[in-house]
Amino acid sequence: GAVVSQHPSWVICKSGTSVKIECRSLDFQATTMFWYRQFPKQSLMLMATSNEGSKATYEQGVEKDKFLINHASLTLSTLTVTSAHPEDSSFYICSAYPGLAGGPLGLGQHFGPGTRLTVT
Amino acid sequence: GQQVMQIPQYQHVQEGEDFTTYCNSSTTLSNIQWYKQRPGGHPVFLIQLVKSGEVKKQKRLTFQFGEAKKNSSLHITATQTTDVGTYFCAGPKGNKLVFGAGTILRVKS
Repeated sequence: GAVVSQHPSWVICKSGTSVKIECRSLDFQATTMFWYRQFPKQSLMLMATSNEGSKATYEQGVEKDKFLINHASLTLSTLTVTSAHPEDSSFYICSAYPGLAGGPLGLGQHFGPGTRLTVT
Repeated sequence: GQQVMQIPQYQHVQEGEDFTTYCNSSTTLSNIQWYKQRPGGHPVFLIQLVKSGEVKKQKRLTFQFGEAKKNSSLHITATQTTDVGTYFCAGPKGNKLVFGAGTILRVKS
């Protein structure tokens, strides 16, 4: 249980184009999902907290107009990288807490398999 | 703000040797979580420690939470090649997690 999927698993796009990444919780409902970015051999950097039915909460330094987040349902959150540039190339990972008891005092976060974005 | 420091950054061990990674928080934590990320993969939740001084074991892995709930360690006994990967500790900040920098473990067979 507690499976999180991401699509696509990898994408190559040209500079200036937009890319949409989907994150789905397959067997549980997630009112909150998290989007991270990870550069090679570095830690996970939280970009934003995606809230179902409301606006995402962005971390300091993350441009909300560049990284558009939509949490359309309890099982789907999308991240759109708009006008992508080579410096946006990274590994993007979403995660969610499964179950009503999930959260900092409950089970750990379950991560999607990640999306490797390369902007040429 | 809350910071989670983790050392060492890298560790190369001979198969069969032990391995330990240490995590230290600038603030007291309600709990601490550990994750493993295999090369090319995504982080996988290993365990959560909640109580002061708590020690938990998963086969060859031993996790400890400090008495002051500000530090933690992960110890692997007799490493195997399957242990290769990056180990992250993470502490909660609200409903978010603050991750340590991670320790990359390489095992030479």
